[in-house]
Amino acid sequence: QVQLQESGPGLVKPSQTLSLTCTVSGGSMSSGSYFWSWIRQPAGKGLEWIGRIYTSGYTNYNPSLKSRVTITVDTSKNQFSLMLSSVTAADTAVYYCAREGSSSRFEYWGQGAPVTVSS
Amino acid sequence: SYEVTQPLSVSVALGQTARLTCGGNNIEYKNVHWYQQKPGQAPVLVIYRVDNRPSGISERFSGSTSGNTASLIISRAQAGDEADYHCQVWDSDTVVFGGGTKLTVL
Repeated sequence: QVQLQESGPGLVKPSQTLSLTCTVSGGSMSSGSYFWSWIRQPAGKGLEWIGRIYTSGYTNYNPSLKSRVTITVDTSKNQFSLMLSSVTAADTAVYYCAREGSSSRFEYWGQGAPVTVSS
Repeated sequence: SYEVTQPLSVSVALGQTARLTCGGNNIEYKNVHWYQQKPGQAPVLVIYRVDNRPSGISERFSGSTSGNTASLIISRAQAGDEADYHCQVWDSDTVVFGGGTKLTVL
């Protein structure tokens, strides 16, 4: 059974860079044809897709966030990471990592990492 | 950019059938997925590719599409079905989520 776990600082100062890592267990990230995504959810609001990466390093990003987002992968550690630059209070949210299967459905999710942007 | 819209809230009487909708231009031609999310928990996939249930999901959950509307149908609604439900599609190299619908079981 695949499991995902987010980790990283829960508090980030405005204008700084938010950094999170997702560790995948229960299988190698390189097995199968999967994309690995980051999704966020502000309190009381809907889900927002941030972007995704394939194990080759190929990425897609949400156009509304593309200028500030970088997603990387380290298959040797079975991890992928998110960096979101120049954060503001609007970036305060629970951040989820997820595995994207065929037809772009998200079959496996991490438990979520709350991140607050505040000075 | 493609957008999908969901009503903010839907109510259903215990034991009755709930129909949650997801609107989008020609959505019937897209793979629509549905997620259930309970407070403080990560979303769970309940329907994929319009009308397929993952292993372990109750047969009371089903889906359909027609024209510009996709639907998640929950039959014989139970108190445990009370949750937020999100629809999701893929369009032009982008994942798109609806705003989510809060289902209340009365």
